[in-house]
Amino acid sequence: SQQGEEDPQALSIQEGENATMNCSYKTSINNLQWYRQNSGRGLVHLILIRSNEREKHSGRLRVTLDTSKKSSSLLITASRAADTASYFCATVRKAAGNKLTFGGGTRVLVKP
Amino acid sequence: DAGVTQSPTHLIKTRGQQVTLRCSPKSGHDTVSWYQQALGQGPQFIFQYYEEEERQRGNFPDRFSGHQFPNYSSELNVNALLLGDSALYLCASKFGDQPQHFGDGTRLSIL
Repeated sequence: SQQGEEDPQALSIQEGENATMNCSYKTSINNLQWYRQNSGRGLVHLILIRSNEREKHSGRLRVTLDTSKKSSSLLITASRAADTASYFCATVRKAAGNKLTFGGGTRVLVKP
Repeated sequence: DAGVTQSPTHLIKTRGQQVTLRCSPKSGHDTVSWYQQALGQGPQFIFQYYEEEERQRGNFPDRFSGHQFPNYSSELNVNALLLGDSALYLCASKFGDQPQHFGDGTRLSIL
């Protein structure tokens, strides 16, 4: 079973707009990570947020974490056509041996 | 600096056959994990190898086995292939608590 579930499952936006996707999880975590996957390729690590952090930024990416609601959000600002990809959240729990547990992903299409 | 490399990129097998997939970790990495990703879904953790031993295992049957070599490279073996084993198999490597780096995967199709 998957620990994280992303919402929405798919998102279509115009270039220049912001894209927001959410991730909910079920049990306490040590950290939560976001990955990007271009079609047919491997996953690229975007950002890691620890359980004692509430917000992190990396370039055009902003991630928030609300441990009380067991949820996280990923915001991509000023989207580009090259941002078209699937985005996955993955949780890490030390009790589960530090393995990554992925959600089902959000498929983002940025139209030029 | 080469990242994680996997071979082959594509593979077609028939039901009941056996397959071996290979992974070379990123330079400096000593831990290798394998994931199965069905079409349209997120990756599912199969197992992780460190110091040539299986350290963790996901919810996969014994038909799935692996190995890590002294140079940290790894193999994933799947016996008695089923149609449901068709998927993208991803290898990821890391060092310590650093984030995992993924290869581009092996696309396995079972006929």
